[in-house]
Amino acid sequence: DVKVTQSSRYLVKRTGEKVFLECVQDMDHENMFWYRQDPGLGLRLIYFSYDVKMKEKGDIPEGYSVSREKKERFSLILESASTNQTSMYLCASSSGAILAENSPLHFGNGTRLTVT
Amino acid sequence: DQQVKQNSPSLSVQEGRISILNCDYTNSMFDYFLWYKKYPAEGPTFLISISSIKDKNEDGRFTVFLNKSAKHLSLHIVPSQPGDSAVYFCAASEKSGANNLFFGTGTRLTVIP
Repeated sequence: DVKVTQSSRYLVKRTGEKVFLECVQDMDHENMFWYRQDPGLGLRLIYFSYDVKMKEKGDIPEGYSVSREKKERFSLILESASTNQTSMYLCASSSGAILAENSPLHFGNGTRLTVT
Repeated sequence: DQQVKQNSPSLSVQEGRISILNCDYTNSMFDYFLWYKKYPAEGPTFLISISSIKDKNEDGRFTVFLNKSAKHLSLHIVPSQPGDSAVYFCAASEKSGANNLFFGTGTRLTVIP
């Protein structure tokens, strides 16, 4: 069974802090993703990566960066946290193209970040 | 602008009855659709999918129907069980190979015992 692990369930950070959200998957998946979930907005893609050291912007990359130094690990970085980045952050992974019926996204349990 | 819409934020159904969750989309380039289920404090889990070459896909109690002309899909759960109580997200993607799923805002289903 695919396991996607997010290092923290809850985080509280101050405005202006640099924040690291870590995600590890154990199924050797090529693709990894960071989404944020907000009430009334669903899940929105921040960044994704289809290979080590490769990254692509999603729909809302402003204020974020990512790092993928190893295949199993994908980090989301908030360079200078702001209150509008208070949200639930979800990491996901998939093998091959997500369009394929047998390679859906597998999500972690999420990190609820509060920026005060 | 929301390309995938779930206009009902919540739905309550009696145990044993049918649950119907609806989803509309605006992008005619979408040709692959998925439903995810999310319990509190957990990440979404994949439930069922359908490609645009089909109009129905069934997996046990779950059936997804696609109406391309109306840009509408629905998820039917029959019979509904209390364990089905969760938030259901509809998602869609394009055939172009772009690695992005566009998610709806979710519908919270409550199945009443």
